[in-house]
Amino acid sequence: EAGVAQSPRYKIIEKRQSVAFWCNPISGHATLYWYQQILGQGPKLLIQFQNNGVVDDSQLPKDRFSAERLKGVDSTLKIQPAKLEDSAVYLCASSSRKGEYEQFFGPGTRLTVL
Amino acid sequence: RKEVEQDPGPFNVPEGATVAFNCTYSNSASQSFFWYRQDCRKEPKLLMSVYSSGNEDGRFTAQLNRASQYISLLIRDSKLSDSATYLCVVKGGDTGGFKTIFGAGTRLFVKA
Repeated sequence: EAGVAQSPRYKIIEKRQSVAFWCNPISGHATLYWYQQILGQGPKLLIQFQNNGVVDDSQLPKDRFSAERLKGVDSTLKIQPAKLEDSAVYLCASSSRKGEYEQFFGPGTRLTVL
Repeated sequence: RKEVEQDPGPFNVPEGATVAFNCTYSNSASQSFFWYRQDCRKEPKLLMSVYSSGNEDGRFTAQLNRASQYISLLIRDSKLSDSATYLCVVKGGDTGGFKTIFGAGTRLFVKA
């Protein structure tokens, strides 16, 4: 079974530029999560989709971050414009159910904002 | 107060030692609890779920104390390969039961 795919693996941009990350979850997984992990910290949930609907985006900085999950499969996370403090690893995860079930993580995208 | 708190460590232990990690959470309505393991520069992976009755998987034992709002992870007979960051995860407690909160993690170094 293929795992969660993410691209790109690394991205370096200057502040005020835009960037987009892509995630392809495990086939059949209805729930998709985007996390931000800053060095030395645990992952922070940015947004959670159930199929193509948002069920939690309470920690998403909506003035600069946006995410979509068209057709309930792939997802993209965008930052526009980026700030220095956005430097982090962006992790995508998926699970087969909303609550108790295991989340499978992708390898992440390491973003550096200069 | 953070919603999920862990001792950041690091814990430096010799091979064969027993080590225990604790994690406290603030929302008494939280519903599901997990321990994840994260190796350096890798993604987190599920180590084990935590049940009210406690559960064991080989050298690993997890326990939940709802009254005191903490969960624990015990590792017996530590191996070099156990060196990693251990993340406590708490889910639910909001209306839909969706909320997921990771602790900052506890770093473990097992020495030969």
